[in-house]
Amino acid sequence: EAQVTQNPRYLITVTGKKLTVTCSQNMNHEYMSWYRQDPGLGLRQIYYSMNVEVTDKGDVPEGYKVSRKEKRNFPLILESPSPNQTSLYFCASSGRGHGNQPQHFGDGTRLSIL
Amino acid sequence: AQTVTQSQPEMSVQEAETVTLSCTYDTSESDYYLFWYKQPPSRQMILVIRQEAYKQQNATENRFSVNFQKAAKSFSLKISDSQLGDAAMYFCAYRSQRYSGGGADGLTFGKGTHLIIQP
Repeated sequence: EAQVTQNPRYLITVTGKKLTVTCSQNMNHEYMSWYRQDPGLGLRQIYYSMNVEVTDKGDVPEGYKVSRKEKRNFPLILESPSPNQTSLYFCASSGRGHGNQPQHFGDGTRLSIL
Repeated sequence: AQTVTQSQPEMSVQEAETVTLSCTYDTSESDYYLFWYKQPPSRQMILVIRQEAYKQQNATENRFSVNFQKAAKSFSLKISDSQLGDAAMYFCAYRSQRYSGGGADGLTFGKGTHLIIQP
């Protein structure tokens, strides 16, 4: 089954404690993205990757890092989380080709930073 | 940069009736793609319908259809015969056709419309 898998689904942690949210896709997609969703703001892109070892900033990259060492994985790293990073996070992937290819989304990760 | 505006934070419709959700966008590009995503309480992001800007014909998927007005930069979603399972947040999204970087892969989302279905 084609899917994007995020872990963990929920996490409550404290300010400053480094955390990583993993994302893995099994569709051999070149493109992967991270979004955060906040009430009243919709989804905003944090980082994206066009292929292995190719990453770039989205609209709200401050406080986040990513890496793309393998095609299937695209972890999101919060080196020193702060309360303003409390949010719902989505990983998404899509294949190369026409832009009408839908992005496949993971089920989301709810992060609470105390 | 592109922007997407959904002017209706919340809409309510009686079951079996028709409802239209509004979306406008701003872009200087001529080729792009537009999407409607549904987010039920489970939080999953589910693609409802998509439209290529170069196509004049409006996309249709069963009870869901769009009214795409390229000149007006408008992309509304019509849901016919509304069902209780249609209750969700609906997001309009824009995607550039470019693949040269600058977030070309990403979707630009509106802030969403919360659709309530009254039984």
